[in-house]
Amino acid sequence: AQKVTQAQTEISVVEKEDVTLDCVYETRDTTYYLFWYKQPPSGELVFLIRRNSFDEQNEISGRYSWNFQKSTSSFNFTITASQVVDSAVYFCALVPPYNNNDMRFGAGTRLTVKP
Amino acid sequence: DAGVTQSPTHLIKTRGQHVTLRCSPISGHKSVSWYQQVLGQGPQFIFQYYEKEERGRGNFPDRFSARQFPNYSSELNVNALLLGDSALYLCASSLRQGFTGNSPLHFGNGTRLTVT
Repeated sequence: AQKVTQAQTEISVVEKEDVTLDCVYETRDTTYYLFWYKQPPSGELVFLIRRNSFDEQNEISGRYSWNFQKSTSSFNFTITASQVVDSAVYFCALVPPYNNNDMRFGAGTRLTVKP
Repeated sequence: DAGVTQSPTHLIKTRGQHVTLRCSPISGHKSVSWYQQVLGQGPQFIFQYYEKEERGRGNFPDRFSARQFPNYSSELNVNALLLGDSALYLCASSLRQGFTGNSPLHFGNGTRLTVT
């Protein structure tokens, strides 16, 4: 079974704080892809990052960083020095190898950054 | 370039009615997928169409159907609406059937359907 768990339903931080959003996944496939998307109030899902199961290198993009650990089936997302514009719902998603468009999303974490 | 466009943005229907939602993919994209996002949950995969053929289907009843036109736009149809069909319906497009390289799904803003 393919499953993504985002245990944090809502997180509230004050601007400039660092925040980590957790993502734990389950899959029996050895090849898979993991994604993070941001969903602002407008509704569209904005692509943030894609990782394949063979690439465990952590990645940093500006204030965003991702920690992929296959040993714990986790793909956590950290925002450094958060800003009010980071307020949104963030989704982690898993894609099986047999249908790249069948994305399995977690329930999402609503992040609120207060000024 | 225009992104994925969906129409209408909002819709209110009554139980038992039928609804048609529309999606225009990014120019050049041949694959369209539909997702249902119930309030407070992540999106759930409904269908994928590529080159006008159904290439994937999620766990949804037969009341849900879709098609893709020669210009690669797509319609999602839902018959005999239930209260539980109230959700944000997202359309996503990609260049190919599966994404390769850095070609993720590109999502539209969605159609918010309310069934009363």
